Amino acid sequence: SQTIHQWPATLVQPVGSPLSLECTVEGTSNPNLYWYRQAAGRGLQLLFYSVGIGQISSEVPQNLSASRPQDRQFILSSKKLLLSDSGFYLCAWKRLAGVDEQFFGPGTRLTVL
Amino acid sequence: EDQVTQSPEALRLQEGESSSLNCSYTVSGLRGLFWYRQDPGKGPEFLFTLYSAGEEKEKERLKATLTKKESFLHITAPKPEDSATYLCAVQANYNTDKLIFGTGTRLQVFP
Repeated sequence: SQTIHQWPATLVQPVGSPLSLECTVEGTSNPNLYWYRQAAGRGLQLLFYSVGIGQISSEVPQNLSASRPQDRQFILSSKKLLLSDSGFYLCAWKRLAGVDEQFFGPGTRLTVL
Repeated sequence: EDQVTQSPEALRLQEGESSSLNCSYTVSGLRGLFWYRQDPGKGPEFLFTLYSAGEEKEKERLKATLTKKESFLHITAPKPEDSATYLCAVQANYNTDKLIFGTGTRLQVFP
């Protein structure tokens, strides 16, 4: 069966500090991978998605970037965090073809102070 | 602009009191509609995918239905463990991957 991990589970960072969130998927190959942010009172917002190693598409211009160094690893980064970057970050995966459902990881709660 | 609206924002039910959650959507072409359950502090858990008007899916006390403009999540004889936020999302035909989410309905079921 497939499993998706996110690390860390919670993070408190000062404004202006860098960020690196990691997502890994087990039990599948060539997944599509996604980063979402969930802010209080708002729906999940797609930030980035990737259909393969090194292939990143950005949905929302912002202070964040994403990378996919390996087939089942997806990383969300920032060079300098803003207060507005606080939120619940969710990684999701989908099989490359055949089904449309996206499956979510446990999330990372980021608080920028 | 593609949009998903869920109502009500919050719903309190007595155990055993059946009800329905609504998800209305506007997209230029619907590829699929998805329902998720989210517990506090956790990632969304996939429940159902619906593709065409008239389609229905069931899982335990939950049944999802789809029309051309909206979807309903019917909860029959709910139990306290059904308490969660229920999220609806749509995927448009012209974009193969992007899900557009509503803000969810927070359901509380009291014993």
